[in-house]
Amino acid sequence: GENVEQHPSTLSVQEGDSAVIKCTYSDSASNYFPWYKQELGKRPQLIIDIRSNVGEKKDQRIAVTLNKTAKHFSLHITETQPEDSAVYFCAARASSYKLIFGSGTRLLVRP
Amino acid sequence: DAGVIQSPRHEVTEMGQEVTLRCKPISGHDYLFWYRQTMMRGLELLIYFNNNVPIDDSGMPEDRFSAKMPNASFSTLKIQPSEPRDSAVYFCASRLAGGETQYFGPGTRLLVL
Repeated sequence: GENVEQHPSTLSVQEGDSAVIKCTYSDSASNYFPWYKQELGKRPQLIIDIRSNVGEKKDQRIAVTLNKTAKHFSLHITETQPEDSAVYFCAARASSYKLIFGSGTRLLVRP
Repeated sequence: DAGVIQSPRHEVTEMGQEVTLRCKPISGHDYLFWYRQTMMRGLELLIYFNNNVPIDDSGMPEDRFSAKMPNASFSTLKIQPSEPRDSAVYFCASRLAGGETQYFGPGTRLLVL
C-alpha cells in the first residue's frame, strides 16, 4: 500500500525567512497530493493541493512542487509570519480514493 | 454551509464503557472518512464509506471498533469496550464524488481512564 514519509518533523525559522517541507510517496499510481495545516486544537485544513499532471502550483506565499520521477513533493512557504506556525501534513492519494498522510511537520516561526 | 459536524466534542469515559462518536457530513457529499489522530501514530484512516457503504475498513484497529452509516447524513463510530489506548482525537471528514478536497470536522477528543 501507499506510504508517505515527511521531513523534517520540526522546523524553526525566523519570521520573513522561507520554510520547506518535503514528502516522498511509494505508490507510483498516486495522482493527488494535498497539504493540510493544523493549528493547535483545531481540525486539519487544506491549504494547497496539486495533481500529478502539474509540476508546480502557487498561491500567494505558498507553493507546492511535484517530481513524479523521484516520487517526491514539497511545500514552500515564503516570507513566513508567526501565524504560519502550525503542524503541516502532506498526503497522497492513489486510485483507492483514500488519503495517506505523512507524519507531520511542526513549524515554528520566531518573531 | 455548516461544514462537517461531530459530536460530542469531548468525551471522558472509563475503561470498559461503550463510546459512540457521531458525524454529519456536508450535505451532498458522497464520501465519509473516519480518522484517528495521536502523537505516536499521527493521522490514521480507520474506515471510509461511499454512498453509505463501507468501502475500506482495513484501518479499524480491532473488533472493538465498529462504524455505521445508516443514511447519507449520519455516521457513527463505536468503541466497545473502550480501553485507555483508544484515547485520541477522532476526526470525521467528507468529500464530494468527483471532487478532490476532504473537509474535516472539528474532531472528538476522547479520553479513556
